[in-house]
Amino acid sequence: DIQLTQSPSFLSASVGDRVTITCRASQGISSYLAWYQQKPGKAPKLLIYAASTLQSGVPSRFSGSGSGTEFTLTISSLQPEDFATYYCQQLNSYPPTFGQGTKVEIK
Amino acid sequence: QVQLQESGPGLVKPSETLSLTCTVSGGSVSSGSYYWSWIRQPPGKGLEWIGYIYYSGSTNYNPSLKSRVTISVDTSKNQFSLKLSSVTAADTAVYYCARAPAKTRYFDYWGQGTLVTVSS
Repeated sequence: DIQLTQSPSFLSASVGDRVTITCRASQGISSYLAWYQQKPGKAPKLLIYAASTLQSGVPSRFSGSGSGTEFTLTISSLQPEDFATYYCQQLNSYPPTFGQGTKVEIK
Repeated sequence: QVQLQESGPGLVKPSETLSLTCTVSGGSVSSGSYYWSWIRQPPGKGLEWIGYIYYSGSTNYNPSLKSRVTISVDTSKNQFSLKLSSVTAADTAVYYCARAPAKTRYFDYWGQGTLVTVSS
């Protein structure tokens, strides 16, 4: 299975901050990567797929980049509703796997 | 608007079979445009893909669970189901059903999730 490692695992930030989360794959996955946001007690929500394509309805402050083994999720200006846990997921090969998550908390 | 809803027992005894159903509304499991998946999340932990089914009945399972998993589809009820046999405490998790467009295969709609606890 392809392993995804996210960094950091925990991030403390303030409203308005620019936030970047990194996801590294154990082998090349081209651009077959997605990012999800999960709030406590809720299902994950798809934010970005194919590494950089914004899912319909997702605010433009979210962006994704990368290919191969290194990917980033950037939130350009953190909003109160963005405090959550973020997961990356690869679909280059089966089984699909997820990163361990990055929790973004209020500073 | 597509909605998915999981249902099934919240408590299962060790060694027994966990059975869950996902009812889809606002869309059809008979559509060739989507794959229908089960994903789980142990309390306080990350996400694990269990498997998917296509409307034709073809399936793909996570090798780590393959020997114990069966996913089936009932097009007449617009539902798909999960059976996980010989459960242990390690199978305690929130179980989600989710839809993935065939073109992208990413999970764009999810159910709210249902907690299944394995305990005697």
